[in-house]
Amino acid sequence: GNSVTQMEGPVTLSEEAFLTINCTYTATGYPSLFWYVQYPGEGLQLLLKATKADDKGSNKGFEATYRKETTSFHLEKGSVQVSDSAVYFCALIIGGSNYKLTFGKGTLLTVNP
Amino acid sequence: DAGITQSPRHKVTETGTPVTLRCHQTENHRYMYWYRQDPGHGLRLIHYSYGVKDTDKGEVSDGYSVSRSKTEDFLLTLESATSSQTSVYFCAISVGGQNTEAFFGQGTRLTVV
Repeated sequence: GNSVTQMEGPVTLSEEAFLTINCTYTATGYPSLFWYVQYPGEGLQLLLKATKADDKGSNKGFEATYRKETTSFHLEKGSVQVSDSAVYFCALIIGGSNYKLTFGKGTLLTVNP
Repeated sequence: DAGITQSPRHKVTETGTPVTLRCHQTENHRYMYWYRQDPGHGLRLIHYSYGVKDTDKGEVSDGYSVSRSKTEDFLLTLESATSSQTSVYFCAISVGGQNTEAFFGQGTRLTVV
């Protein structure tokens, strides 16, 4: 089956630190990959996505590269801000699956001033 | 936000009672989903719909039923609520083809006492 494994949290960083949240996947086909972010008390929002190998998704200073050889989609940001504090979810969709998302368990990021 | 509204936003109910959650969208998207979010589990798919009166089970469908009698509304019913169904429930819609993006509602916090 399809699954997503992301690094266990919580992750606590100081402002301006470098962020990496690891994500690896197992999929029966060729997935599209996503990072979603959930701010406190809110629903999930799409942060970035990549639909084929070697694609790089980017948004708001966050980046992730679709690595087929390592089945990974790690999220990075060079300098985090307090406002980046949230839960981050890695997810995938397999074509022909009615676009059902399979999620990782989420990683809570706290950024301190 | 793709015009997704969930109701109610909060509900407390007693064990054994039926509960219905509503998801309403304003943009006539074909695919709609119900997820539950629990600590340590991320988001898990309960049921989804790929058209009016076309629904299917997700990975955690036991104890839940759904209905979609018109494009804009997708109802989730807990037939006889149990404490294990205390959770935050999210509705989502999917737009696009392989380059899909999912939009989420604000969530419904359900407590079963």
